[in-house]
Amino acid sequence: GQNIDQPTEMTATEGAIVQINCTYQTSGFNGLFWYQQHAGEAPTFLSYNVLDGLEEKGRFSSFLSRSKGYSYLLLKELQMKDSASYLCAITTDSWGKFQFGAGTQVVVTP
Amino acid sequence: DTGVSQDPRHKITKRGQNVTFRCDPISEHNRLYWYRQTLGQGPEFLTYFQNEAQLEKSRLLSDRFSAERPKGSFSTLEIQRTEQGDSAMYLCASSFRTGGRETQYFGPGTRLLVL
Repeated sequence: GQNIDQPTEMTATEGAIVQINCTYQTSGFNGLFWYQQHAGEAPTFLSYNVLDGLEEKGRFSSFLSRSKGYSYLLLKELQMKDSASYLCAITTDSWGKFQFGAGTQVVVTP
Repeated sequence: DTGVSQDPRHKITKRGQNVTFRCDPISEHNRLYWYRQTLGQGPEFLTYFQNEAQLEKSRLLSDRFSAERPKGSFSTLEIQRTEQGDSAMYLCASSFRTGGRETQYFGPGTRLLVL
C-alpha cells in the first residue's frame, strides 16, 4: 500500500527555522513535491525533488533521500504569513497523479 | 488572471440533489486533475484527463460521480444524488508535462456542503 507520514502540527517563533519531515512508503517513486496551503485556499507549489539532495529556493529548502523514503522542507526566517498547512505529495508513476500526506499545520507565533 | 479557475466557489445543496462543478485549466495545460479534500486531510485523487481522454478514475469515485472534458479544455464534475459524506472541498489542478517533470497548479476549489 501507499503511506505518507507528516507531523500534524508544529509551532515556531517568528524569525526562527522549522523543519517539516515527510516519510513515505510507496510502490514506486517518480518525484516529491511540497505545497503550501493557507486555510480555505488552494495548495500552491513550493518545491520539487526527484534526485537525492537539497534544493534551495530563497527561504525554503527541500531535501530528499530516496533510499530512506524521506524528505524534509526547511523554512528559514519564519514570517507570520508562513502560518499554513504544508503538504508533501508523491508521484509514483509517469502519469503525475499525486498522493498527498495529511499536511503539517505550521503555526508561527510572534 | 491566467490561473486555474473553478465555479462555483461554494455550493450548498440538499441530500439527494445533483450538483455540477466546472474547472477551467491554464490554457496550454493538457492534463487536468480532480481531487477531493476534507478538513485536516490532504487532497485525495479522484480522476484525471489528458486532453479530452479520461485516463484514470480512483476507486473512491462511486458511480454517482462523473467527470467530462469534452473539448480538452474545461472540465465538469457532476455528483448525482448527493449524500452528506460528499461534503468536501473539490479541487481542480492542471499541468503540462515537460522534460519528465510535471507540476500541478491548483484552482481555488469548490466547497460543497450537503445538508
